[in-house]
Amino acid sequence: GEDVEQSLFLSVREGDSSVINCTYTDSSSTYLYWYKQEPGAGLQLLTYIFSNMDMKQDQRLTVLLNKKDKHLSLRIADTQTGDSAIYFCAESVGTSYGKLTFGQGTILTVHP
Amino acid sequence: KAGVTQTPRYLIKTRGQQVTLSCSPISGHRSVSWYQQTPGQGLQFLFEYFSETQRNKGNFPGRFSGRQFSNSRSEMNVSTLELGDSALYLCASRRNPGLEAFFGQGTRLTVV
Repeated sequence: GEDVEQSLFLSVREGDSSVINCTYTDSSSTYLYWYKQEPGAGLQLLTYIFSNMDMKQDQRLTVLLNKKDKHLSLRIADTQTGDSAIYFCAESVGTSYGKLTFGQGTILTVHP
Repeated sequence: KAGVTQTPRYLIKTRGQQVTLSCSPISGHRSVSWYQQTPGQGLQFLFEYFSETQRNKGNFPGRFSGRQFSNSRSEMNVSTLELGDSALYLCASRRNPGLEAFFGQGTRLTVV
């Protein structure tokens, strides 16, 4: 079955790198996503990775996928105060592409 | 290009009433999914519609229902509202199932 786990809190200093981790259980995952949610807002798609990829880079964001350990991470380089938000990892499985299973979310706090 | 539009943004209803929420997907997107977000349960999948057909359904009681129209707009209905239905209801649209899902701002439902 599908289950996605994330650590709940991360605190970093402005300018440092942030690494948010996620583990998933379904071995047939096809797409793995990272979303950002700011207070009072919906979810903003940051990036996604296919399960046959190891890494994807998009400007300040780097996604690493370890398929053997079912571990996904999101690295934000040069973290800014505007990056403070909740970050969700999600998977979509097999033919149920329209269903996303989300982790609990990681609250990222960036200190000046 | 307009994003996913959800109306209304806020709703207050009384226990026992019913409510209808609306979602207009991004132009050209034919898949619409609905999610419930609560502090206790996090983000949970309700259902997905594609070309007016329900393709997938989450573990919610029959009081939660939805439909999709020929223009891809979708509505979800919750009957006999309970206090526990208070949540942020999010809608997501995709061009096809399996690709990126883009979320609306959500409808904040409060049941009193």
